[in-house]
Amino acid sequence: DIQMTQSPSTLSASVGDRVTITCRASQNINSWLAWYQQKPGKAPEVLIYKASTLASGVPSRFSGSGSGTEFTLTISSLQPDDFATYYCQQYNSDSRTFGQGTKLDVK
Amino acid sequence: EVQLLESGGGLGQPGGSLRLSCAGSGFTFSDYAMNWVRQSPGRGLEWVSTISGSGTRTFYAEFAKGRFTVSRDNSKNTLDLQMDSLRAEDMAIYYCTKSTPKLGYCSSNSCLFDQWGQGAMVIVSS
Repeated sequence: DIQMTQSPSTLSASVGDRVTITCRASQNINSWLAWYQQKPGKAPEVLIYKASTLASGVPSRFSGSGSGTEFTLTISSLQPDDFATYYCQQYNSDSRTFGQGTKLDVK
Repeated sequence: EVQLLESGGGLGQPGGSLRLSCAGSGFTFSDYAMNWVRQSPGRGLEWVSTISGSGTRTFYAEFAKGRFTVSRDNSKNTLDLQMDSLRAEDMAIYYCTKSTPKLGYCSSNSCLFDQWGQGAMVIVSS
């Protein structure tokens, strides 16, 4: 199976900060990567697909980049609603694996 | 509005069985592949199983092969997951998810999970 590794596991930041989360794949997944946001007690929601395309309704302060094995999710100016846990997921292979998550909390 | 509503979670014994169901509404159910994804504190998010829109093709994670069976009834807009030979590590929240065959949402091998239910808790304990 393709392993997905996110860093950092926890990120402390303040409203207005620019933050970046990294996701690395154990092998080439081309651009078949999605980013999800999950808030406590809720199901994950798609933010970005195919590495860099924003899902419908997602604010433009979110952006994704990368291809192959290294990917990033950037929030350009953190808003109060953005404090949540973020997951990457590859859908290049049958195994559909997720990263372990990055919890973004208030500094 | 798309809605996915899971039911059937609860307590199962090690070695025992549980059946989860998911009712879909707000979309043409048979047009979409459906999946089960689970989440636990120790194992994180894990894809469990996928079934094609027609129900003729099924796919399983290695840990689910031989123990879990996914099925659907397109006349009732329902998705099921039969879980047998339960193990402690199966304890998790199980999400019913939908995969839309939209450009960019699917590679040639698999798709992302674009809609999720609220989840059903499965506890495995004697």
